[in-house]
Amino acid sequence: GNSVTQMEGPVTLSEEAFLTINCTYTATGYPSLFWYVQYPGEGLQLLLKATKADDKGSNKGFEATYRKETTSFHLEKGSVQVSDSAVYFCALSPSGSSASKIIFGSGTRLSIRP
Amino acid sequence: DADVTQTPRNRITKTGKRIMLECSQTKGHDRMYWYRQDPGLGLRLIYYSFDVKDINKGEISDGYSVSRQAQAKFSLSLESAIPNQTALYFCATSTTGGRGDEQFFGPGTRLTVL
Repeated sequence: GNSVTQMEGPVTLSEEAFLTINCTYTATGYPSLFWYVQYPGEGLQLLLKATKADDKGSNKGFEATYRKETTSFHLEKGSVQVSDSAVYFCALSPSGSSASKIIFGSGTRLSIRP
Repeated sequence: DADVTQTPRNRITKTGKRIMLECSQTKGHDRMYWYRQDPGLGLRLIYYSFDVKDINKGEISDGYSVSRQAQAKFSLSLESAIPNQTALYFCATSTTGGRGDEQFFGPGTRLTVL
């Protein structure tokens, strides 16, 4: 079946540090891949996405590359800020999915120290 | 103004009570979803609706029911609440469904069943 596995948190970094949050997936075919972010007290919002192999999604300094050969979609940012503190969810939408179904990972809580 | 709203934002109730959570959207989207979020489990799909006449069960529909009163409104009911339904509930919307379609989330309803 389809599933998403992401690194467990919490992850605590100092401001301006480099961030990587690992995400791997299991799916048949070519799913679409997403990173959603949940700031405290809010709902989830799309951070970035990639819909085919080797695509790179980017937004707000975050990047992730769709790697079919390693079934991965790791999230990276070169210099984190305190305002990046949030919970990050990796997710996939199975190929051929007519229901817009999204399968979410368990989330990784990120805390940035000033 | 928020595009996806949920009421109430917080609710504490007792075992056996009937509870309704409401969701409204001004995005004009046809598709609406209800998820629950539990610590360490990510988001799990309860029900989804393609349009007013279409209702589908998600992966964890037992103990829940829904009503799609209009394109803009999608309600979730717990007929007889139990403590393990204590969770954060999110409503989401999307367009007609295609590769990489984004879902838009409401702010969530925190439900506690005593």
